[in-house]
Amino acid sequence: EDKVVQSPLSLVVHEGDTVTLNCSYEVTNFRSLLWYKQEKKAPTFLFMLTSSGIEKKSGRLSSILDKKELFSILNITATQTGDSAVYLCAVGGGNAGNMLTFGGGTRLMVKP
Amino acid sequence: DSGVTQTPKHLITATGQRVTLRCSPRSGDLSVYWYQQSLDQGLQFLIQYYNGEERAKGNILERFSAQQFPDLHSELNLSSLELGDSALYFCASSAGIHNEQFFGPGTRLTVL
Repeated sequence: EDKVVQSPLSLVVHEGDTVTLNCSYEVTNFRSLLWYKQEKKAPTFLFMLTSSGIEKKSGRLSSILDKKELFSILNITATQTGDSAVYLCAVGGGNAGNMLTFGGGTRLMVKP
Repeated sequence: DSGVTQTPKHLITATGQRVTLRCSPRSGDLSVYWYQQSLDQGLQFLIQYYNGEERAKGNILERFSAQQFPDLHSELNLSSLELGDSALYFCASSAGIHNEQFFGPGTRLTVL
C-alpha cells in the first residue's frame, strides 16, 4: 500500500526562524513529489519534483528530492506569520493515471 | 485563485439523499481529479478523468460516481448518503495526465 509520512506533525517557531519539513514515501510507480500549502481551504501548489538532487526554489521556500532514500525536504527561511499553515506532501504514482497520495501534513505556526 | 471552480460551496442534506458536485477545470486543462478530505482520513484520491475518459480510480465507494463532459467540466454524484460522507470534496485539474494539480476551493458536504 502506498504511504507518505510527514514529520514533524506540528511546529511552532518565531518570525525569522528557518524550518525544515520532512516527507518520506513508499509509492508504486513513482512519478513526482509535490508540496502544497493549505491555509483555510484549498491546497495551494508550491513545488513539483521529479528528479533527485535538483533544488527548486521560490522566494524563501526551497525543496529537494532524494529518490534513492525516498524522501524530500521543504525549507522555509526567514519565516513570517503568513507562512502559518498546514504543509502537505503528496506523491504522484499509479499505473495509468496520476493519483496523488497525501501525507498527513505538518502544521506550522509562526509567532510574531 | 487557482482557476478551478467548484459549486456549490456548501451543501447540507439528509442521510439517504443524493447530491451532485460540479467542477470546472482551469482553462486548457484536460485532467480533472476528485479528492475527499475528512478530519480522520486526510486527503484521499477518488478518481481522475482525462479528456472525458476515466484514467485512474482510488478508494471511491460504489455509491459515488463521476463523469467528465465534452466541455471538460466534471460532476461527482454521491448517493445513499451516510453521516460518514460528511467531508470537504475537492476538485483539481492539470494540463495533462501527469502534470502538477491545482485545487479548487472545495465543496463542504454536511450529511445530517
